Amino acid sequence: DAGVIQSPRHEVTEMGQEVTLRCKPISGHDYLFWYRQTMMRGLELLIYFNNNVPIDDSGMPEDRFSAKMPNASFSNLKIQPSEPRDSAVYFCASSLAPQFSYNEQFFGPGTRLTVL
Amino acid sequence: AQSVTQLGSHVSVSEGALVLLRCNYSSSVPPYLFWYVQYPNQGLQLLLKYTSAATLVKGINGFEAEFKKSETSFHLTKPSAHMSDAAEYFCAVSDGNNFNKFYFGSGTKLNVKP
Repeated sequence: DAGVIQSPRHEVTEMGQEVTLRCKPISGHDYLFWYRQTMMRGLELLIYFNNNVPIDDSGMPEDRFSAKMPNASFSNLKIQPSEPRDSAVYFCASSLAPQFSYNEQFFGPGTRLTVL
Repeated sequence: AQSVTQLGSHVSVSEGALVLLRCNYSSSVPPYLFWYVQYPNQGLQLLLKYTSAATLVKGINGFEAEFKKSETSFHLTKPSAHMSDAAEYFCAVSDGNNFNKFYFGSGTKLNVKP
């Protein structure tokens, strides 16, 4: 398996622009997670999906952030409009249902976002 | 709510020396506990996990961790450090009420000196 795939790996944009980050989970995984990693706040869970349905979005920082999972093999995270404080590394992770995996999450390589 | 504390944001050891990375957690219910490793510019990779079976858990690359309920600790050790172990290590605990929700520690950067 190719693992969790994220694109782009690096994104540089200007304040006010829309940013879209993409994720392809491991085939067969029921859960998909979006995390943000910053020096100040470490790794934070933003939102997660089960069978394409958002379950917990309490970590989404504000209305500028939105995430969708239109099918089992794709999810995107959008920031509109972007701000410099959104600069971070965004990780996508996926996992099997808990009874099969004790919730081991498999992480993608991340997207490093820089908002100027 | 669950939380994880990793003591020491930076740890430096000599090659061949013992590695000890500390992790303490708070959880109101028996947790699942994990150690992940992150190499530069890469995602997190699972090292090992505790899921209420054996309290001493062995992982990849010679790492192991011991779950001590009385101390609410899950420290990561390796008897002999290798240069390739230099990376950042994260301890994580899953929410006992929602095992899908992970709480990560702030991470410990391990430096291995030749």
